[in-house]
Amino acid sequence: DADVTQTPRNRITKTGKRIMLECSQTKGHDRMYWYRQDPGLGLRLIYYSFDVKDINKGEISDGYSVSRQAQAKFSLSLESAIPNQTALYFCATSDWTQTGELFFGEGSRLTVL
Amino acid sequence: EDQVTQSPEALRLQEGESSSLNCSYTVSGLRGLFWYRQDPGKGPEFLFTLYSAGEEKEKERLKATLTKKESFLHITAPKPEDSATYLCAVPSGTGANNLFFGTGTRLTVIP
Repeated sequence: DADVTQTPRNRITKTGKRIMLECSQTKGHDRMYWYRQDPGLGLRLIYYSFDVKDINKGEISDGYSVSRQAQAKFSLSLESAIPNQTALYFCATSDWTQTGELFFGEGSRLTVL
Repeated sequence: EDQVTQSPEALRLQEGESSSLNCSYTVSGLRGLFWYRQDPGKGPEFLFTLYSAGEEKEKERLKATLTKKESFLHITAPKPEDSATYLCAVPSGTGANNLFFGTGTRLTVIP
């Protein structure tokens, strides 16, 4: 089983729908992240959490919200999806002692029509 | 403003043809530079961390080096399985784990 699991792996939805992307990890890491990847723009940080009670906005948080349900679970929600949120979304984790060494999930491809 | 620029965007090499990928950065107070490999349809996979100018790290056919302004990822005698997108990243924001990624170099190694 993968250390960082994302569900769903692929999702097609319509404008205005609420979408939740889920992430769970077995690494035992405190730190979890949500990134978005677009062609030509690279990976951009949406939200990050350093522990269950700590949630922080990243570079591009508008239109997104997150929930850290437990140390191992971090969900990303799009309250009202729009087409420019079509992208590949990655969840990642890290240990606080290994700065910069992120462990990524396999991604969730979201298409908003 | 922190910036990371990678070049070239894409690189095609014959198997065995060595080359280098570049990552130039402008950050205030570098707290590490990180290289990742990303295969199509997969999440990035960590390769190296470099902290100070002059530092070098090696892994199989890959060697990463760091100067005060840029990092190079040298690929010696590449094989087709080295084909991937290589990303570099630097810490940005309030925490060292908030990484700012470059857009990557897509490497194709032709048998």
